[in-house]
Amino acid sequence: DAGVTQSPTHLIKTRGQQVTLRCSPKSGHDTVSWYQQALGQGPQFIFQYYEEEERQRGNFPDRFSGHQFPNYSSELNVNALLLGDSALYLCASSRPTGGYEQYFGPGTRLTVT
Amino acid sequence: GQNIDQPTEMTATEGAIVQINCTYQTSGFNGLFWYQQHAGEAPTFLSYNVLDGLEEKGRFSSFLSRSKGYSYLLLKELQMKDSASYLCAVRNSGNTPLVFGKGTRLSVIA
Repeated sequence: DAGVTQSPTHLIKTRGQQVTLRCSPKSGHDTVSWYQQALGQGPQFIFQYYEEEERQRGNFPDRFSGHQFPNYSSELNVNALLLGDSALYLCASSRPTGGYEQYFGPGTRLTVT
Repeated sequence: GQNIDQPTEMTATEGAIVQINCTYQTSGFNGLFWYQQHAGEAPTFLSYNVLDGLEEKGRFSSFLSRSKGYSYLLLKELQMKDSASYLCAVRNSGNTPLVFGKGTRLSVIA
């Protein structure tokens, strides 16, 4: 049973560029949440997708956008990258009801220079 | 507002017991989670409490007092591999996203 997968593992971008991160949820899960984790901090919620729609959003600017595909996989897009966007980006999948646990992927380490 | 507090760092000796505390003030409550995160890796689920009391799972136990907004994670028979960050997180309601504390970095020494 494949767990949550994310790609790429590491990424280096320059300020002002755009980046797309990808996530495939755990088998049987249809809800995907994205988190940003800065060094030494806990994960901060970005947004959550279910049925191909953004259902909830944290306190992140519109530069952060996402998408969910019919197969439940998801993308996180960040435009106009800032140095402060450097972080570990985590994807977590869950079931919408009846399950309380979120399973995290290995994350994508984004470095903005 | 929402606030989750836990100590930044702790050090304990191999074979000993350590308790990591977490206090929370959130707009709602539908469960408290503990995750373990090794450096550079994803958080892995340790425990879930939604009712008051102690949940035991092997060397790990977690306690919750909803009236006090308080939880702790108890690690027994510490091993070197337990050196990691431990994240406390609260779910406000339903399937809402988790609100995380900043994590407690535990160092286990010989």
